[in-house]
Amino acid sequence: QVQLVQSGAEVKKPGASVKVSCKTSGYNFTGYYLHWVRQAPGQGLEWMGWINPNSGATNYAQKFQGRVTMTRDTSMSTAYMELSLRSDDTAIYYCARPGTVTTEYWGQGTLVTVSS
Amino acid sequence: QPVLTQSSSASASLGSSVKLTCTLSSGHSSYIVAWHQQQPGRAPRYLMKLEGSGSYNKGSGVPDRFSGSSSGADRYLTISNLQSEDEADYYCETWDNNTQVFGGGTKLTVL
Repeated sequence: QVQLVQSGAEVKKPGASVKVSCKTSGYNFTGYYLHWVRQAPGQGLEWMGWINPNSGATNYAQKFQGRVTMTRDTSMSTAYMELSLRSDDTAIYYCARPGTVTTEYWGQGTLVTVSS
Repeated sequence: QPVLTQSSSASASLGSSVKLTCTLSSGHSSYIVAWHQQQPGRAPRYLMKLEGSGSYNKGSGVPDRFSGSSSGADRYLTISNLQSEDEADYYCETWDNNTQVFGGGTKLTVL
């Protein structure tokens, strides 16, 4: 079965970077885009961008351009999201895989806490 | 880019039915929408993909109590025979021009 397993919680200071991993299994890793979505405390879901694991091409939401980098390691079927942090980036970060168009699989989430 | 509009909250009694609405913005009424459930403290869970025709495909393990329908720009999620575990946030989602879009979510309270 399809599984997306994310790395553990992180605590960082403003100005630092965080790199979250999403290890996939149960399907052809290069056959589907991977999205990153975040959720600030008490808020809704916010799309950050996607990576095409086959080509490495990316598309970032305008809000995060210049601060986020999405990469992948096809040998490990793993995607990564690196974010340069501000104080308001405290959130749970999810990786998500679409079916044909919309999301069908979610990772368990990674809590990133930004605190000085 | 489409905008998805959801009511912020809804409530219904245990054992009853509730119909949640997600409305697509003008010019996007034909778009496919997905519904996701997020129980407190948990990751979102995919429920179904819903087309403008009203045809829907549910995710694995989603109970029969969950169904979808459409009318114009509105996409509906109906939950029948409400259970306590249905108390959750429900989000709709669509996709356009290489961008994923989420509605603001509806918080469902089971009375």
